[in-house]
Amino acid sequence: AQSVAQPEDQVNVAEGNPLTVKCTYSVSGNPYLFWYVQYPNRGLQFLLKYITGDNLVKGSYGFEAEFNKSQTSFHLKKPSALVSDSALYFCAAGGGSQGNLIFGKGTKLSVKP
Amino acid sequence: SQTIHQWPATLVQPVGSPLSLECTVEGTSNPNLYWYRQAAGRGLQLLFYSVGIGQISSEVPQNLSASRPQDRQFILSSKKLLLSDSGFYLCAWSVSGGWSGNTIYFGEGSWLTVV
Repeated sequence: AQSVAQPEDQVNVAEGNPLTVKCTYSVSGNPYLFWYVQYPNRGLQFLLKYITGDNLVKGSYGFEAEFNKSQTSFHLKKPSALVSDSALYFCAAGGGSQGNLIFGKGTKLSVKP
Repeated sequence: SQTIHQWPATLVQPVGSPLSLECTVEGTSNPNLYWYRQAAGRGLQLLFYSVGIGQISSEVPQNLSASRPQDRQFILSSKKLLLSDSGFYLCAWSVSGGWSGNTIYFGEGSWLTVV
């Protein structure tokens, strides 16, 4: 079965420090990978996606993610965290026979000043 | 540019009452449309998706139904709500055509509380 795992329920980071939100996937065939962000009581906003090509994908608000095929991972990163980055982050995957996205359970990012 | 509208934003309904959540997309034609539910535990569950008018696929058996009466309109309904139907409902869209990594874009969501 295809799946997406976000192993951390919460990530705590000090403002100005780098952040990483982890994601691993299990998808048959070539994966399509996405990151979304959700602020309280809001819908999900698209941050970035990997379809093919360069393993390092740059997205909105200074976020980037690195596709690692051998480790089946797609971790979200940002060099310097802001308090305003505090939100819920979802990793999602599709591909192969999967006609829709499968979402991870989300990771709550808390950035403290 | 494309926009997605979803309403009502919040809804409090008694058990056994009907439900209708509506979603419309503007600025695109023949989009794929989706209804997701996000329970308190934060995970997203795909409820229904549609690739065209009158074409609805259900992902999970449940007390809910969906309809697509027009190209860019997607409605989530229930004849009799259950307490377990409470949650945050998200409508979403993507461009039409076969799956090829198209981005799914979400509306702002509707909070449903069944009392």
